[in-house]
Amino acid sequence: DGGITQSPKYLFRKEGQNVTLSCEQNLNHDAMYWYRQDPGQGLRLIYYSQIVNDFQKGDIAEGYSVSREKKESFPLTVTSAQKNPTAFYLCASSSSGWDGELFFGEGSRLTVL
Amino acid sequence: AQKVTQAQTEISVVEKEDVTLDCVYETRDTTYYLFWYKQPPSGELVFLIRRNSFDEQNEISGRYSWNFQKSTSSFNFTITASQVVDSAVYFCALRKGYSTLTFGKGTMLLVSP
Repeated sequence: DGGITQSPKYLFRKEGQNVTLSCEQNLNHDAMYWYRQDPGQGLRLIYYSQIVNDFQKGDIAEGYSVSREKKESFPLTVTSAQKNPTAFYLCASSSSGWDGELFFGEGSRLTVL
Repeated sequence: AQKVTQAQTEISVVEKEDVTLDCVYETRDTTYYLFWYKQPPSGELVFLIRRNSFDEQNEISGRYSWNFQKSTSSFNFTITASQVVDSAVYFCALRKGYSTLTFGKGTMLLVSP
């Protein structure tokens, strides 16, 4: 079945370590997104990519990095520069049309010890 | 700038009650899309509905209905005869042009038996 796969589902990290969250989609969507969710804060956009080899910063990009080398993949690296990385991270994709809804993965919960 | 406000942080109802989730948005654009998503405890956001700014017709889908009023910049969501399975966090979101989705902070709905 078509969809978005995020891994790992749960991840623990020590302070000062970088960690990479995987996001793969087989929906043939051009656009992909990373959101961060904190309790009571809704979803905030970290990075997005509308086409391969191109991406833009969202509202809270500091301390994060991404790459988009393949259409199907949009990994997110949480670097040691991110001050408060403990959160729930959601990856999404959409078709290139501006009216398309976003399809979401099941999320990755990162906890910094 | 665009903004989505979901003033209700948490709503508790008893099964079979009707419940309305409020969504108020701000945008200077005349062309935009509004969305509702459901986030069950599993974490994945599930798309419920999309409405464009030129279509103010109300929408009904089973026990779900949506009331879009441009005059008050509102896009409210009503669940009729609520069920325990409706317990989730519900997000309203706004999309303008080729930009990304702007989400509200969500409303947690708790339906008790």
